[in-house]
Formats: sequence, structure tokens, C-alpha cells
Amino acid sequence: GEDVEQSLFLSVREGDSSVINCTYTDSSSTYLYWYKQEPGAGLQLLTYIFSNMDMKQDQRLTVLLNKKDKHLSLRIADTQTGDSAIYFCAGGGYNKLIFGAGTRLAVHP
Amino acid sequence: DAGITQSPRHKVTETGTPVTLRCHQTENHRYMYWYRQDPGHGLRLIHYSYGVKDTDKGEVSDGYSVSRSKTEDFLLTLESATSSQTSVYFCAISEPLGFLPSEQFFGPGTRLTVL
Repeated sequence: GEDVEQSLFLSVREGDSSVINCTYTDSSSTYLYWYKQEPGAGLQLLTYIFSNMDMKQDQRLTVLLNKKDKHLSLRIADTQTGDSAIYFCAGGGYNKLIFGAGTRLAVHP
Repeated sequence: DAGITQSPRHKVTETGTPVTLRCHQTENHRYMYWYRQDPGHGLRLIHYSYGVKDTDKGEVSDGYSVSRSKTEDFLLTLESATSSQTSVYFCAISEPLGFLPSEQFFGPGTRLTVL
């Protein structure tokens, strides 16, 4: 089955770029997703990438997909304090996802 | 926000007692899911449902059962709660869109403590 791994913690200075990394095992995932969880709340979809794409850009967010290495990354440009949250990558089938453990992003002044 | 509510939002119970958590949606989405969230493990799927009375196991289903008698409600039952089931439980819903990505919408979570 799918296994998804992420580093657990990332600390960045406000205004810098953040890069959150994820590796996955199941190359049959059609889409790969990034979800964001703010304190005390459920997860919300941030962005996704189709498995035959290498990159997707959405405002401050850039998703890079390296299919050969099964590596997914999320870059947040000009990181703000409001970006402090836990970020989960997820892969799997259309209706059943496997989530990573989540990366806690801390943004400091 | 997608119309998903969970009840109760917080519960403290004792080992060995039965517990039922409820997820209610107003979106008429076909799929419903129960996850648990634990530090270092992220979200793990317990059970999911793909229609009324249609359910299947996830990766951590032992000790849990579910029921879905109508589209809008998905119940998670711990028949005899154990301390290892102390966790935050999230319900999610989604509607299949063929070959398009299907977003999962999450409820606010239920914090369960088993003493």
C-alpha cells in the first residue's frame, strides 16, 4: 500500500521561502495533494498536482513533483505568520487518500 | 465551508465503556470517512463509506465499527474504549468527480480522552 513520509518540523523567518518535502511509495497515485491544518481545525485542501505534471504554481505556492524519485515538495514564497500550520501531503486513489505525518511550519519574525 | 458537523466535540470516558461519535453532513456527498490524528502519525483512515450501508475498513480499523443508515450521517463506534484510542477524530466527506481530483472536506474534529 501507499506510504507517505514527511519531515516533522520546519522553522523559517518571515519573508523567506519555505520548502516542505514529502516522499511517497505508490507511483500509481493519480493526484498528489497538499492539505493545511490550522490550530484546532480540520484539514483544508491547499493545492494538488496531477501525476503527469512536474510543476504547478498557484500564487505563492509552487508544487514540484519528481516522479523518478517519488518526491513531492511545496514551496511557499514570502512566508507569513499566517502560514504557520501543519502541512500534510497525501496520495492514493481518487477517493481514498493516505496522508503523511504532517510538517509543522513555524514562522518567526 | 462545507456543512460538516461532528458531535460531541470533546468527550472524556473510561476504559471499557462504549462510545459513539457522530458525523453529519448537509452536502449530500457520497463518500464519508473517519480518521484519527495522533502526533507523529498524521491522519490514519479508520473506516470509510461509499454510500448508504456501504462501508469498508481503513488502515486502523481494529476496535472500531461504523454505520451509515442515511446519506447525511456516519457513526463511529468504539465498542469498548481503550486508552490507545485517545485521539482526535476527524470526519471527512467527498464527492467522486470521475477522473478529476476529489477534494476531501473535513469536519472540526472530536477530541476523545479514554481514562
